[in-house]
Amino acid sequence: EVQLVQSGSAVKKPGESLKISCKGSGYSFTSYWIAWVRQMPGKGLEWMGIIYPGDSDTRYSPSFQGQVTISADKSSSTAYLQWSSLKASDTAMYYCARSAYSSWYSGYWGQGTLVSVSS
Amino acid sequence: DIVLTQSPGTLSLSPGERATLSCRASQSVSSSYLAWYQQKVGQAPRLLIYGASSRATGIPDRFSGSESGTDFTLTISRLEPEDFAVYYCQQYGSSPITFGQGTRLEIK
Repeated sequence: EVQLVQSGSAVKKPGESLKISCKGSGYSFTSYWIAWVRQMPGKGLEWMGIIYPGDSDTRYSPSFQGQVTISADKSSSTAYLQWSSLKASDTAMYYCARSAYSSWYSGYWGQGTLVSVSS
Repeated sequence: DIVLTQSPGTLSLSPGERATLSCRASQSVSSSYLAWYQQKVGQAPRLLIYGASSRATGIPDRFSGSESGTDFTLTISRLEPEDFAVYYCQQYGSSPITFGQGTRLEIK
């Protein structure tokens, strides 16, 4: 059974750093792209970027380029999303999602990680 | 970037009725790479349709997708109580991948 299990909620202050995770299981982790999607409170879905764990090929949405870093660790079958300096506007639910084998639609989603940033 | 515009913003219908949700792309979507997702409150999105018209595994056949040029449609033939949710379209044919702003399907 394919599963994506995300790290727990995080409460941070502006300016702090954060790295959240998404652990894949039940499939070949290196063979499928993993995307990160933001959902701000009460708002829609925003695609942030995607990584291919097999070779770490990474693409970012222009809206998020330079704002976050997406990475993956093949040895632990885990993808990451990190911030070096959080802002209050980063408060949101973040989902990881696995692509299909040869297309970028997402058939499997993690449960979401809620990030709250407040002074 | 490809902009997806969904309409209506909110759709109020009763169980048993037919729902028609629209998604218009600002330019051609490569290879019909258009997906539809359902999201219920407090849950992650769920894939319904990919390739504009292919149902994902386990999705009931009351859900169907179609396309006409840059216009895409999700149709729910007979609404069940569990279908009331927010629906998003997504194009995945070119980077950056983009989502529509969503259509809220509510009980009338």
